Amino acid sequence: GNSVTQMEGPVTLSEEAFLTINCTYTATGYPSLFWYVQYPGEGLQLLLKATKADDKGSNKGFEATYRKETTSFHLEKGSVQVSDSAVYFCALKDNYGQNFVFGPGTRLSVLP
Amino acid sequence: DTAVSQTPKYLVTQMGNDKSIKCEQNLGHDTMYWYKQDSKKFLKIMFSYNNKELIINETVPNRFSPKSPDKAHLNLHINSLELGDSAVYFCASSQATQGPYEQYFGPGTRLTVT
Repeated sequence: GNSVTQMEGPVTLSEEAFLTINCTYTATGYPSLFWYVQYPGEGLQLLLKATKADDKGSNKGFEATYRKETTSFHLEKGSVQVSDSAVYFCALKDNYGQNFVFGPGTRLSVLP
Repeated sequence: DTAVSQTPKYLVTQMGNDKSIKCEQNLGHDTMYWYKQDSKKFLKIMFSYNNKELIINETVPNRFSPKSPDKAHLNLHINSLELGDSAVYFCASSQATQGPYEQYFGPGTRLTVT
């Protein structure tokens, strides 16, 4: 079946540090890939997505590239801010089915 | 204008009670979902409806019963509440079941069973 693996957190960084959160997936076919962010006390919000191999999703300074050869969709940001502190979820969607699979989430804390 | 809304936001109740959580989406989406998020933030899909028809029914105690009166609403009724039901419950919607469509989440309902 389809699955998503994320690096375990928590991840603690200083403000302006470089961020990478690793995400790898297992899927049959060619899924769409997503990153969601959950701020404290809120629901999940879509951060970015990519629907085919080599696509790069980007939003609010975050980027992730759909790498079919390594089955990865790592999230990166060049300079994190305190306001980026949240839980980040990698997810995949089987385009021809109904399965939407979330990773376990990675908690990021950014210190001033 | 809230896209996916849930009521109530907080729900505190005693074991053995019956409670309902309501969800509405104004995005015109065909598909709606219920998720349970535990204290470690792990998300578990519970149910999915497409155009009022149940399409995903994961291994969930039959004390949980979803109801979709129309495609804009998906409610969750829970009978005989137990301590282990304490969690945050999220409603979500997507444009369709198939295709590269993201899910839009509501703000969550924090259920505490005492």
